[in-house]
Amino acid sequence: QSVLTQPPSASGTPGQRVTISCSGSSSNIESNTVNWYQQLPGMAPKLLIYSNNQRPSGVPDRFSGSKSGTSASLAISGLQSEDEADYYCAAWDDSLNGYVFGTGTKVTVL
Amino acid sequence: QVHLVQSGAEVKKPGASVKVSCKASGYTFTNYGISWVRQAPGQGLEWLGWISAFNGHTDYAQKFQGRVTVTTDTSTSTAYMELRSLRSDDTAVYFCGRTRYYYGLGRPSPDAFDIWGQGTMVTISS
Repeated sequence: QSVLTQPPSASGTPGQRVTISCSGSSSNIESNTVNWYQQLPGMAPKLLIYSNNQRPSGVPDRFSGSKSGTSASLAISGLQSEDEADYYCAAWDDSLNGYVFGTGTKVTVL
Repeated sequence: QVHLVQSGAEVKKPGASVKVSCKASGYTFTNYGISWVRQAPGQGLEWLGWISAFNGHTDYAQKFQGRVTVTTDTSTSTAYMELRSLRSDDTAVYFCGRTRYYYGLGRPSPDAFDIWGQGTMVTISS
């Protein structure tokens, strides 16, 4: 059972903005940086956002991350069909002394 | 080009062990760590553990303590993950990930996994 909670699904039409929440606690999100991973069907995960709000080279600026207290969010603006994937938040947890992933959110482009 | 290439699919019997390899290329191996993450069919991502390729420091998820060992061979830039006492619910795709890490409280802690291997399917079946 994951310690980071995400909504199971989110959806939008092309061009819309979609936001995914990630709820944690003082031992993970509040005290450590949050990363986001995108997993396309049948593929390995891909780093999408690191250090709360930084994009690796090659990730479109349509993707943005933020963090406040024990929660974090991923926003996708200008939703495109190729954004249909599973998204996971993740962070180090000081109490568990381990890295934890969120429960995952499936994004559907309508 | 940075790559992580994993070993091929495995089929094991309950109670056996499996050892998956992850060969790195295109970067200085000892500047990063390697983490191992698995995904059971239709399920989410689950972290097993990681190793600093610089000094061999390891951390393991509490759930797998005593059952998993992560090692590296810096001479071949290869990381290994061994999981013992296999059960049917260990059936999953196992991924390795190049791990950026930082030093806090005098020890390295994993941060982001920026490059991933292609995954290795491990099936446990009697």
